[in-house]
Amino acid sequence: AQSVTQPDIHITVSEGASLELRCNYSYGATPYLFWYVQSPGQGLQLLLKYFSGDTLVQGIKGFEAEFKRSQSSFNLRKPSVHWSDAAEYFCAVGAPSGGYNKLIFGAGTRLAVHP
Amino acid sequence: ETGVTQSPTHLIKTRGQQVTLRCSSQSGHNTVSWYQQALGQGPQFIFQYYREEENGRGNFPPRFSGLQFPNYSSELNVNALELDDSALYLCASSLGTAKSNYGYTFGSGTRLTVV
Repeated sequence: AQSVTQPDIHITVSEGASLELRCNYSYGATPYLFWYVQSPGQGLQLLLKYFSGDTLVQGIKGFEAEFKRSQSSFNLRKPSVHWSDAAEYFCAVGAPSGGYNKLIFGAGTRLAVHP
Repeated sequence: ETGVTQSPTHLIKTRGQQVTLRCSSQSGHNTVSWYQQALGQGPQFIFQYYREEENGRGNFPPRFSGLQFPNYSSELNVNALELDDSALYLCASSLGTAKSNYGYTFGSGTRLTVV
């Protein structure tokens, strides 16, 4: 069955520190992978996506993610966190089926940033 | 270019009632997907509409239904509301349903509380 696991429910980092959010997926074929961010009371904003090609993907707001097929992982990283990065982060896998497509999301990781 | 607009932003309903949530797609997008995000969880796919027809559905009962209009706006209807229907409902628009098309734009959601 297709699924996404985000092992860390909450993460707290200091402003300026590096960040890595973990994501593991289960999917039979070559996955389409995404990271979204959700601020309180807001919808989902796409940070980056991986479809094929270079396994290191650059996104907005200084985020990047690396696809590792052997580990079924797609971890999100940022070298230096800003206070404004505090939000909830969702990893998702694209699961096309028949004539439609859908996203399967993980449960999310809530990021807190200490000054 | 306008984004995805959802209305209302908040709603309180009584168990057993019916509710209609509305979504205006991003300009140029012809596909609408609806997701349910319960508190502390990732969004779950409800269904997708393309060319005014439902072309894919997640694991939700028939009392969850939808419509898509010629201008690609959409409605989500939920009958016989249950307490567990309390959630943030997210609408996402996109262009087409091809496997590689995951250019979703999400709205800010409607927060539904069932009491």
